[in-house]
Amino acid sequence: GAVVSQHPSRVICKSGTSVKIECRSLDFQATTMFWYRQFPKQSLMLMATSNEGSKATYEQGVEKDKFLINHASLTLSTLTVTSAHPEDSSFYICSARGAGNKQYFGPGTRLTVT
Amino acid sequence: QQQVKQSPQSLIVQKGGISIINCAYENTAFDYFPWYQQFPGKGPALLIAIRPDVSEKKEGRFTISFNKSAKQFSLHIMDSQPGDSATYFCAASMAGNTGKLIFGQGTTLQVKP
Repeated sequence: GAVVSQHPSRVICKSGTSVKIECRSLDFQATTMFWYRQFPKQSLMLMATSNEGSKATYEQGVEKDKFLINHASLTLSTLTVTSAHPEDSSFYICSARGAGNKQYFGPGTRLTVT
Repeated sequence: QQQVKQSPQSLIVQKGGISIINCAYENTAFDYFPWYQQFPGKGPALLIAIRPDVSEKKEGRFTISFNKSAKQFSLHIMDSQPGDSATYFCAASMAGNTGKLIFGQGTTLQVKP
């Protein structure tokens, strides 16, 4: 149980285009999902907290207009990287909060902006 | 006060040995302390977690030791195996705070055959 999926697993896009990443909780409902960014050999950096039916809460320094988050249902949250640039290339990971405040992570999405 | 400090940064252990990773925190409002295991190119997987009302929790070869007064907790991996080679993250969160996790810096474990 407590499986979280992400799609796509890898994406390559050209500079200036937008990319959407989906995060789904497959066997449980999640009112809260989280989006992280991880650089090589570093820890996870929380970008934003996504709450179903309301606006996301962004961490300090994260541009909300660049990283659009939508949590339209109890099993789906999306992250759209708008006007992507090479510096946005990273490993993006979502997580979903389940019972007992436990967080379950997706497999991650490798974004490469050329 | 929101930080979780993790050590060591890297660890090399012989097969069959015990791997020990330590974490320390400042905020006494933290009430949930999970450990995650991450393999390269994959998302973190919840390994084991503890709440501050117990001093130890064991699941298979993995044990969390928790010292509330010292504000420290550690992960012990008994009989370490090459398949345990991964990056381990400790984390902490507070009740009523959306469950937001504060992560440690990570420890890269290499278990030599």
